[in-house]
Amino acid sequence: EAGVAQSPRYKIIEKRQSVAFWCNPISGHATLYWYQQILGQGPKLLIQFQNNGVVDDSQLPKDRFSAERLKGVDSTLKIQPAKLEDSAVYLCASSSLQGWTDTQYFGPGTRLTVL
Amino acid sequence: QQQVKQSPQSLIVQKGGISIINCAYENTAFDYFPWYQQFPGKGPALLIAIRPDVSEKKEGRFTISFNKSAKQFSLHIMDSQPGDSATYFCAASPLSGNTGKLIFGQGTTLQVKP
Repeated sequence: EAGVAQSPRYKIIEKRQSVAFWCNPISGHATLYWYQQILGQGPKLLIQFQNNGVVDDSQLPKDRFSAERLKGVDSTLKIQPAKLEDSAVYLCASSSLQGWTDTQYFGPGTRLTVL
Repeated sequence: QQQVKQSPQSLIVQKGGISIINCAYENTAFDYFPWYQQFPGKGPALLIAIRPDVSEKKEGRFTISFNKSAKQFSLHIMDSQPGDSATYFCAASPLSGNTGKLIFGQGTTLQVKP
């Protein structure tokens, strides 16, 4: 079974530029999560999708961050414009959520550096 | 209320020793407590998880101890091996909303010396 795929793995941009990250979840997983992991901290949930609908985006900075999952499969997370404090690893995870304790499987992440 | 506090921040253990990582929470709505293991350059991976209806769960060398009244839970790694060197995160999931949302602790970097 293929894992969660993310690209790019690394990205370096200047502040005020825009950037987009892509995630392809495990086949058949209806639930997709985007997390932000700042160096030295635990992952923080940004947004959760169930199929192509948003379940929770309470911690997504909506003035600069956006995410979509148009066909209920892969997803993109965009930052526009980026700030220095956005430097972090952006992790995508998926689960089948057949029970709410279902395992979340994480991708390798995209490391973003904002200069 | 939504926080999960984890300690210690870092831990050095000799091979064969016991590694213990502790977590505490405030929100009594949390009803699922997983531990994730993360190696450098990789995403976190589920190690072991517990529900509050049991006080202990063991899987191989890994054991979770859960104290519901104290709102604390801990991970014990028995016979620690150099291959266990990684960052460990505790997490908790609130019952409300049934979304599977995870609140992570700050992480503990474990180094097992050969």
